[in-house]
Amino acid sequence: DIVMTQTPLSLSITPGQPASISCKSTQSLLYSDGRTYLYWSLQKPGQPPQLLIYEVSNRFSGVPDRFSGSGSGTEFTLKISRVEAEDVGVYYCMQSIQVPLTFGQGTRLEIK
Amino acid sequence: QVQLQQSGPGLVKPSETLSLTCAISGDSVSSNSAAWNWIRQSPSRGLEWLGRTYYRSKWYNDYAVSVKSRITINPDTSKNQFSLQLDSVTPEDTAVYYCATRFTDYWGQGTLVTVSS
Repeated sequence: DIVMTQTPLSLSITPGQPASISCKSTQSLLYSDGRTYLYWSLQKPGQPPQLLIYEVSNRFSGVPDRFSGSGSGTEFTLKISRVEAEDVGVYYCMQSIQVPLTFGQGTRLEIK
Repeated sequence: QVQLQQSGPGLVKPSETLSLTCAISGDSVSSNSAAWNWIRQSPSRGLEWLGRTYYRSKWYNDYAVSVKSRITINPDTSKNQFSLQLDSVTPEDTAVYYCATRFTDYWGQGTLVTVSS
């Protein structure tokens, strides 16, 4: 199974400041079709996860442009340019290049 | 936009079968580009993928090794939905269960299933 490792596991950010989360996989997520199957989601309390970024760097429908994703191969980063109060929750990276789909442990973002 | 609506009991007795259904709107369970996942979440295990069903000229299933002997995921084309069956449950199977689309772009609302007598 591909293991997804996120760092840090928690963040406390002042509104308006940037935030960054790292995700590393134990195998390359680049598939033979040229696509990289790495996703970022945010889970707010009491809700299912909601997709933010697909295939490393593509924002999902309705996601604000303060969220951006980057990376390649086995190392990826989610950045929030200016954190807002509504960004609190747990962020997960996920790979879908092979089954089983696997998730990172989650990074909890709180507002200072 | 795809919507997934889950249904099923929230309490199951040990050794019995957990059964959940996920009704799809905005897509077809038989779509040749879709796949339909079941994922659960618990404090001890985090987000855990359980399995999926998908159609590529015929039906396929993939299951997590941890539950492979106990799980069945079935499509129901007449109702445009898919189901999860998990046999011989124990308290370790207590979790919030979610259905989700192929790349987890859409999720069901979640069902807290408690295994207890």
